[in-house]
Amino acid sequence: GQQLNQSPQSMFIQEGEDVSMNCTSSSIFNTWLWYKQDPGEGPVLLIALYKAGELTSNGRLTAQFGITRKDSFLNISASIPSDVGIYFCAGHFLPGGSQGNLIFGKGTKLSVKP
Amino acid sequence: DTEVTQTPKHLVMGMTNKKSLKCEQHMGHRAMYWYKQKAKKPPELMFVYSYEKLSINESVPSRFSPECPNSSLLNLHLHALQPEDSALYLCASSQDGTSGELFFGEGSRLTVL
Repeated sequence: GQQLNQSPQSMFIQEGEDVSMNCTSSSIFNTWLWYKQDPGEGPVLLIALYKAGELTSNGRLTAQFGITRKDSFLNISASIPSDVGIYFCAGHFLPGGSQGNLIFGKGTKLSVKP
Repeated sequence: DTEVTQTPKHLVMGMTNKKSLKCEQHMGHRAMYWYKQKAKKPPELMFVYSYEKLSINESVPSRFSPECPNSSLLNLHLHALQPEDSALYLCASSQDGTSGELFFGEGSRLTVL
């Protein structure tokens, strides 16, 4: 089946630093999405990308849909303690126009030192 | 605050028990999902309901039985579970199932003794 390779697996950074994580796939997707999950909570959608080459920002977050449709990256600028959590990339495809399928990466655990 | 509400938040059950997890959304979404998440792993899709019909069953064992009584409610009936079924069970909804923009609930933490 389709798999997403997400890296890095974990990051330990100092508050104020910028963060970058990425996801690659052997298959193309219609949509790339980035979710964040805090402990004891469900994932929350951060950014959705719909077109190859698209670059989208949401506050301090910036994400891009790779031109080949097989990759995406997420940048977080000037990290703060509440950025701590697990970030999941996800690829979405629509086989034959029917019910879509969402594939998650394995996650990047972010720790921020104040 | 999440707009997808799951109950109970925590559940402990024996292997012979029958219990149910419940999920409710009032966003008018027509697709609802059950995911299973083990510690330090991504969510794994179990079931998808689209317009109240089961559209995806990811080869889930029959001891898990989903039910969608109406467009706002989704249940997961549990019977004769195994300890390895202990996990966080996440419910999610999306507008019509054609995008990956899912709204997740906070999850039900299940422990099977």
